[in-house]
Amino acid sequence: AQSVTQPDIHITVSEGASLELRCNYSYGATPYLFWYVQSPGQGLQLLLKYFSGDTLVQGIKGFEAEFKRSQSSFNLRKPSVHWSDAAEYFCAVLVSPGYSTLTFGKGTMLLVSP
Amino acid sequence: KAGVTQTPRYLIKTRGQQVTLSCSPISGHRSVSWYQQTPGQGLQFLFEYFSETQRNKGNFPGRFSGRQFSNSRSEMNVSTLELGDSALYLCASSLVSGGRGEQYFGPGTRLTVT
Repeated sequence: AQSVTQPDIHITVSEGASLELRCNYSYGATPYLFWYVQSPGQGLQLLLKYFSGDTLVQGIKGFEAEFKRSQSSFNLRKPSVHWSDAAEYFCAVLVSPGYSTLTFGKGTMLLVSP
Repeated sequence: KAGVTQTPRYLIKTRGQQVTLSCSPISGHRSVSWYQQTPGQGLQFLFEYFSETQRNKGNFPGRFSGRQFSNSRSEMNVSTLELGDSALYLCASSLVSGGRGEQYFGPGTRLTVT
């Protein structure tokens, strides 16, 4: 079965510093991968997605992610974190291209220190 | 274009009661998926509807059911509520079902069972 692992439950980053959130997946075929962000009391907002092609994908709010098949990873990065980036981040994989069903990781809570 | 709306936003119910949650997708979207979010289990898929047909179902007991109407609005029902059903219930809509249909999430309904 497909699974997604986000090894870090919490991460604290200083404002202006770079960020990398880790995501590892287990999937038999070429995965469809996503990163979502959730602010307190809100729903999920899609940051970026990978379907195929270029392994470095750009998203909204200055985020990017790199797909590495050899490492089964899809890590999220941002060169300079802003205080407004504090939120919970979820990595997800599509169960099957024929469905809209997503399997999510447990999430990483990002705290931004001044 | 209006986003995904969910009603009610907050709900308090007593064990044994039943509850109905509503989701109105983005205009023109025909796929609606439901997820349960809890601190312990994270985000878990409940079911997906497309053109009034259930396309996929997660591993939840039969107390959880759903349906979709001809205008793509969807409802989910939980009967005989248990304390463990307390969660944030999120729905997501997409234009099409499957991988390339970008999913947009609503703000969720916070259900508390006492």
